Amino acid sequence: GNSVTQMEGPVTLSEEAFLTINCTYTATGYPSLFWYVQYPGEGLQLLLKATKADDKGSNKGFEATYRKETTSFHLEKGSVQVSDSAVYFCALRSNQAGTALIFGKGTTLSVSS
Amino acid sequence: EAGVAQSPRYKIIEKRQSVAFWCNPISGHATLYWYQQILGQGPKLLIQFQNNGVVDDSQLPKDRFSAERLKGVDSTLKIQPAKLEDSAVYLCASSLVPGGLYNEQFFGPGTRLTVL
Repeated sequence: GNSVTQMEGPVTLSEEAFLTINCTYTATGYPSLFWYVQYPGEGLQLLLKATKADDKGSNKGFEATYRKETTSFHLEKGSVQVSDSAVYFCALRSNQAGTALIFGKGTTLSVSS
Repeated sequence: EAGVAQSPRYKIIEKRQSVAFWCNPISGHATLYWYQQILGQGPKLLIQFQNNGVVDDSQLPKDRFSAERLKGVDSTLKIQPAKLEDSAVYLCASSLVPGGLYNEQFFGPGTRLTVL
C-alpha cells in the first residue's frame, strides 16, 4: 500500500544552520507530495507541494524536489531560524486511490539561538 | 476568510463513556475529512465526506465510531464507548473540491481527547 517514511527526530540545530529532513514514499502511479508544518499550539498548515516528477516546491525559504527515481521528497532550508521550530510532516496523495492524505510520522525540529 | 473551526479543543473522559466532536469547515468547501493523530504518529484518515455523502470510511472503527454531515456543512464525530487507545488529537480538514491540483486541505486546530 501507499506509505511515507520520514527521518526520525528530534532534529536540533543552531540558528542559521542548514536543514535537511528526509522523506521517502511508496505509492502506485504518480502521487502528489506535500510538506505540512505544525507550530506549537496550532493546526497543520501546508508548507509546500509538488505534483509531478522534478517539480520543486518552495515557500518561506524551504524547498523540496519531487524525485521519482529515488521516490524522495526531502525538505531543505539553507538557514533556519528559531521561529522554524515545529513538527514537519511529509505526506502524499495518491491520484489513483482518492484524495485523502497519507502522512509520515512527523519530524520535530528545534532551533536554538 | 474564517478557517476550519473545531470544538471542544480539549476533552477528558473515562473509558466506556461517549464523546462527540464538532467541525465547521470553511464556507463553500464540499469535502470534509476527519483524521486521527495518535501521539508520535502522523494523522490517519478516519472518514471523508463529499457534501453529505461518505466517500471513504474504510479506516473508521464502525463498532464504536460514527460520523455524520447533515446538510453538507458541519459535521460531528462520535465515539461510543471510548477506549484507552482512542486518546489522540482528532483533526478536521476541508477542501474546496475533492481532487485535482488545487484541492488543498485546510486543517482545524484539532480536539485533544484523553481517555482515562
